[in-house]
Amino acid sequence: QVQLQESGPGLVKPSETLSLTCTISDGSIRSYYWTWIRQPPGKGLEWIGYMYYSGTTNYNPSLKSRVTISEDTSKNQVSLKLNSVTAADTAVYYCATLYCSRGSCYPDYWGQGTLVTVSS
Amino acid sequence: QAVLTQPSSLSASPGTSASLTCTLRGGLNVGPYRIYWFQQKPGSPPQYLLTYKSDSDKQRGSGVPSRFSGSKDVSANAGILLISGLQSEDEADYYCMIWHTSAVVFGGGTKLTVL
Repeated sequence: QVQLQESGPGLVKPSETLSLTCTISDGSIRSYYWTWIRQPPGKGLEWIGYMYYSGTTNYNPSLKSRVTISEDTSKNQVSLKLNSVTAADTAVYYCATLYCSRGSCYPDYWGQGTLVTVSS
Repeated sequence: QAVLTQPSSLSASPGTSASLTCTLRGGLNVGPYRIYWFQQKPGSPPQYLLTYKSDSDKQRGSGVPSRFSGSKDVSANAGILLISGLQSEDEADYYCMIWHTSAVVFGGGTKLTVL
């Protein structure tokens, strides 16, 4: 079973950049499509964006101006960067693989999530 | 206005059935959409349950019991997750999801209490 692990600072100051990486336990990141999803404490899920192994990305329109999802094949990692953060960006951030079949895609394997708090 | 709306909470007794709705708004017609359902328990990431578009286009996730099924109520413009034979372990948050204009949209989630 594929295991994913998010990592990065748990505390980020307002106006700075949130940077997270997602490492896969088995296999190449290029074998999968990737997505990031976040969940503010006590609230629902919010999709951040996805990346196909071709490098094609698409982002939540509400975050598009601030977010970048990219891959580092040398480290077998997928990364998320969100700049100009505010307290509203405080959330548990999940990376997940996207399983796609016959025109249908959904988040399949999920990391355990990492809590990022934005505070000075 | 949210594209997908779900009741914030629902309670049901063990052994009975629970019907969780996911209503499409903003002019979206439920007919063409695949509705994806996820279950999330406290402290854990969501887990995929099933997809439903029509009786000929549906699937259940690996290991998901047949007690979980999907349908649509076209008159209500909603996707439905039906959980039959409720068990205490079904107590969780449930989220619906669609793809809309190449973007993922989640519903706000329903907290299901089994008591």
